[in-house]
Amino acid sequence: LAKTTQPISMDSYEGQEVNITCSHNNIATNDYITWYQQFPSQGPRFIIQGYKTKVTNEVASLFIPADRKSSTLSLPRVSLSDTAVYYCLVGEEGSSASKIIFGSGTRLSIRP
Amino acid sequence: GAGVSQSPSNKVTEKGKDVELRCDPISGHTALYWYRQRLGQGLEFLIYFQGNSAPDKSGLPSDRFSAERTGESVSTLTIQRTQQEDSAVYLCASALPGRNQPQHFGDGTRLSIL
Repeated sequence: LAKTTQPISMDSYEGQEVNITCSHNNIATNDYITWYQQFPSQGPRFIIQGYKTKVTNEVASLFIPADRKSSTLSLPRVSLSDTAVYYCLVGEEGSSASKIIFGSGTRLSIRP
Repeated sequence: GAGVSQSPSNKVTEKGKDVELRCDPISGHTALYWYRQRLGQGLEFLIYFQGNSAPDKSGLPSDRFSAERTGESVSTLTIQRTQQEDSAVYLCASALPGRNQPQHFGDGTRLSIL
């Protein structure tokens, strides 16, 4: 199983850049890395996905080193509204659905 | 456009009763997932549908849990003879066909067993 390890919680301040790192030592060749964000009383929301190197969209960047055993979600200039739980997932969707493990995520708290 | 819709948003019932939770996925999303999330915890995979078939139901915790999907659309998760440990938020997600498609989640049904 493609298990991931991420910090349980992180704190930061408005305007700072926040980097959340996820370890996935057993990542398989076909596995992609996907990050989701979850606010209280809501379902998770897709943020970004990547396979290798760097991916950037309007919300975040995802850095993946050559060995792909870890990945870092980077949130530029966070605001209070970025307070949420962030999940790192590794795995192939669809037929390997049960192998996708959300884990407990990283609880990010942003302070004024 | 319309997202994933789940109903009811909240359900309170007595121990031993049966409950049925509904999920309306995004149109055209052939993949559908059910998860359970206990308070303060991560998501626990329950079952996956591809079309109307469930190739992976390995996450269903007991034979009291069942799910079906019809018309490659609506799915229902049924819990029979509910127990207090079934109290949780039940989340549904749908995705486009193909590998590595992101999942789109509903806001869940909060189930409370008295």
